[in-house]
Amino acid sequence: AQTVTQSQPEMSVQEAETVTLSCTYDTSESDYYLFWYKQPPSRQMILVIRQEAYKQQNATENRFSVNFQKAAKSFSLKISDSQLGDAAMYFCACKETSGSRLTFGEGTQLTVNP
Amino acid sequence: DADVTQTPRNRITKTGKRIMLECSQTKGHDRMYWYRQDPGLGLRLIYYSFDVKDINKGEISDGYSVSRQAQAKFSLSLESAIPNQTALYFCATSPGGTSGANVLTFGAGSRLTVL
Repeated sequence: AQTVTQSQPEMSVQEAETVTLSCTYDTSESDYYLFWYKQPPSRQMILVIRQEAYKQQNATENRFSVNFQKAAKSFSLKISDSQLGDAAMYFCACKETSGSRLTFGEGTQLTVNP
Repeated sequence: DADVTQTPRNRITKTGKRIMLECSQTKGHDRMYWYRQDPGLGLRLIYYSFDVKDINKGEISDGYSVSRQAQAKFSLSLESAIPNQTALYFCATSPGGTSGANVLTFGAGSRLTVL
């Protein structure tokens, strides 16, 4: 079974600056997906970005990008030009393609300071 | 209207009461899930269903039961609620198949408080 660990319970960043959220995972499978979800105060879970493990190229979505280090089982999220609306809880998650469960990390609460 | 609708959004109840959380979806997805969110623990899977006749336990199913009434409806029940079931509950859906099955769509969550 896979595990996901987020070692930063809280992070803060100044508006317009860049911040990186860390995530490590463990899985015995070679075929899996990795995700970052954002949960603003509205509680809604919003998919930010996803990465297929078989793709070497790091995924990018506008100001959000990942650093996927497969050998190290690391999947960090970089937020560039941080905005006040980026303030939220961020969850890293992993799903083995052959499995049924999306496994989440503990979450990182991101504060954006004006 | 939301693709995945959860009711109620918030509920306060007392220990020993039976509670049902309901989930309906208009995505046409085959797979439905119930997760529980607790501070510092992330989201954990309670039950999941791949079709109407397929129900499976997740990692924390004790004290919960589910019913898949139709492809679009998946309800979670707490037969006798206890305070440590106080949490935020999420319903989610995904299509079947290969890559599509890996992307979940979440409801807005149901916050349950058990006194």
